[in-house]
Amino acid sequence: AQKITQTQPGMFVQEKEAVTLDCTYDTSDPSYGLFWYKQPSSGEMIFLIYQGSYDQQNATEGRYSLNFQKARKSANLVISASQLGDSAMYFCAMRVHSGYSTLTFGKGTMLLVSP
Amino acid sequence: GAGVSQSPSNKVTEKGKDVELRCDPISGHTALYWYRQSLGQGLEFLIYFQGNSAPDKSGLPSDRFSAERTGGSVSTLTIQRTQQEDSAVYLCASSLAAAGGRESKNIQYFGAGTRLSVL
Repeated sequence: AQKITQTQPGMFVQEKEAVTLDCTYDTSDPSYGLFWYKQPSSGEMIFLIYQGSYDQQNATEGRYSLNFQKARKSANLVISASQLGDSAMYFCAMRVHSGYSTLTFGKGTMLLVSP
Repeated sequence: GAGVSQSPSNKVTEKGKDVELRCDPISGHTALYWYRQSLGQGLEFLIYFQGNSAPDKSGLPSDRFSAERTGGSVSTLTIQRTQQEDSAVYLCASSLAAAGGRESKNIQYFGAGTRLSVL
């Protein structure tokens, strides 16, 4: 079974600062993908970034980057130059590549960006 | 539309009534997923459809929950004899493919959800 752990229920950051949201995972499957989603108050889950377990480089998408440390089984999301619109819930998720498995989600981290 | 569409956005019902929640996936997406999100929790997988294959129902919490997908497109999640513990946001997602191929094809895109309140 897969498990995602997000230990930060809430994080605060000032506008324009960088912030790191923690995510650790557990799986015995050697091939898997890690995802981060953003859920604003509107409720929709918005895909942010993806990291494959065999990818050699850390994923980046604009202001989002994923700090992937395979040996430590961590996949932290780094948001650079925070904006007020980044205030939302952030979920880390994993999908193993064996069979037709679905996403396993963590409980999320609420990020609040202040002016 | 361009994204995953869910209706209704909000549903209030009385305990014991049946409810139907609808999901219209992104056009061309063959895989469709239902998740449940309870207050303050992450998403819990319910059921998954891939093309014409038999659905994976392993996440359904009880036999009061069922889902169907007609014509490989629109899906309906039905909850019979609703209970107060069924109150949650029900999210639907779709993806181009469920497994195999490049991972980028397997990104799940979500709708805004249906907020179900059982009184």
